[in-house]
Amino acid sequence: DSGVTQTPKHLITATGQRVTLRCSPRSGDLSVYWYQQSLDQGLQFLIQYYNGEERAKGNILERFSAQQFPDLHSELNLSSLELGDSALYFCASSESPGDTEQFFGPGTRLTVL
Amino acid sequence: QQQVKQSPQSLIVQKGGISIINCAYENTAFDYFPWYQQFPGKGPALLIAIRPDVSEKKEGRFTISFNKSAKQFSLHIMDSQPGDSATYFCAASERQAGTALIFGKGTTLSVSS
Repeated sequence: DSGVTQTPKHLITATGQRVTLRCSPRSGDLSVYWYQQSLDQGLQFLIQYYNGEERAKGNILERFSAQQFPDLHSELNLSSLELGDSALYFCASSESPGDTEQFFGPGTRLTVL
Repeated sequence: QQQVKQSPQSLIVQKGGISIINCAYENTAFDYFPWYQQFPGKGPALLIAIRPDVSEKKEGRFTISFNKSAKQFSLHIMDSQPGDSATYFCAASERQAGTALIFGKGTTLSVSS
């Protein structure tokens, strides 16, 4: 158990809908990362937050957004969902942006029908 | 472009054999190279990592070999066991810049008993 928690574990929704994925980092970790894992693209970095502020963006679609709250938990919002958004979404955390050891949560499996 | 290329895509090794997975990177600014292990239904877990100032790092049955001039690194699993059957991902990041991990596409390892 990495200490990173993610909810929900599974999510099934329809095209065009909006969902919110939640992540709680390990105790003491200030930096949160979101990754998307799909069969064709592999593990891709989406976005990083550090102590409430956006720090880096990767291959995140404009339909997706995220935020990190004062208690350091983070939410990833996915809107106008398409079939291709079906994937595993992982949250990872580290003590600081420069701390390269990232601990991954168990993931949220999103299925868009 | 794919910044970290991983091969092979899949690997079958007999119990007790050596598993070798290779990765190549393009960005010479990368200065941290971890390997992650992922079991079905779980998030990736850090296995072992290396920085470019050393050519080899060993932890138990797992060894990373690093060739800076060739921009390549590899994971060797000695005395492979059925419990090692998992998907392995190499990754790279710029530690000083505090960037997120760039992952290879993964290698599915099956160790037959």
